Amino acid sequence: GAGVSQSPSNKVTEKGKDVELRCDPISGHTALYWYRQSLGQGLEFLIYFQGNSAPDKSGLPSDRFSAERTGGSVSTLTIQRTQQEDSAVYLCASSRQYSAEKLFFGSGTQLSVL
Amino acid sequence: RKEVEQDPGPFNVPEGATVAFNCTYSNSASQSFFWYRQDCRKEPKLLMSVYSSGNEDGRFTAQLNRASQYISLLIRDSKLSDSATYLCAVNRYGGSQGNLIFGKGTKLSVKP
Repeated sequence: GAGVSQSPSNKVTEKGKDVELRCDPISGHTALYWYRQSLGQGLEFLIYFQGNSAPDKSGLPSDRFSAERTGGSVSTLTIQRTQQEDSAVYLCASSRQYSAEKLFFGSGTQLSVL
Repeated sequence: RKEVEQDPGPFNVPEGATVAFNCTYSNSASQSFFWYRQDCRKEPKLLMSVYSSGNEDGRFTAQLNRASQYISLLIRDSKLSDSATYLCAVNRYGGSQGNLIFGKGTKLSVKP
């Protein structure tokens, strides 16, 4: 596609439910990143993929959070047993090669946990 | 010391003013540095890369000071459209590989 695509754009869920967020990076981009941004806050790094492997998953807040990437393309971020503090915008970004160069961001998924 | 730190602002400046932001980073081995711009409720977009020799793009100048471990962004002749949050980003690990860590951003508001 022309850009990084994320779905859904908005997700409202009840506390305790599981949610799955999807990211479709720019075709050919080998690096993929997940960040989250709470209202008025900066970007919090979650996890980084090179191809299908995740060299750095140190930003995942707890074991309720997991992510995978298949075929070197689409990635899903799963949050189990959601809590209210998980409410944020989840942003996905991709970049062309192995170096930390220009990131292209998707428009994000606004997650609201009631 | 946080990995990447920025003054959150806000910086309120009149049109035509010159404004500068700094961003400090903790990993002396980091090699890749960037400034991103984020408009309200939008995703961040790359403004410019920061090279060792400095980088200028129109009214925007970015510089790197390795000795003091900070990068800077200078905006000359501020426009109303420059109002946004400016995020600095630094690669976490040495060399040019690895993920980017972002500062919390500096908010700029340019007034008529």
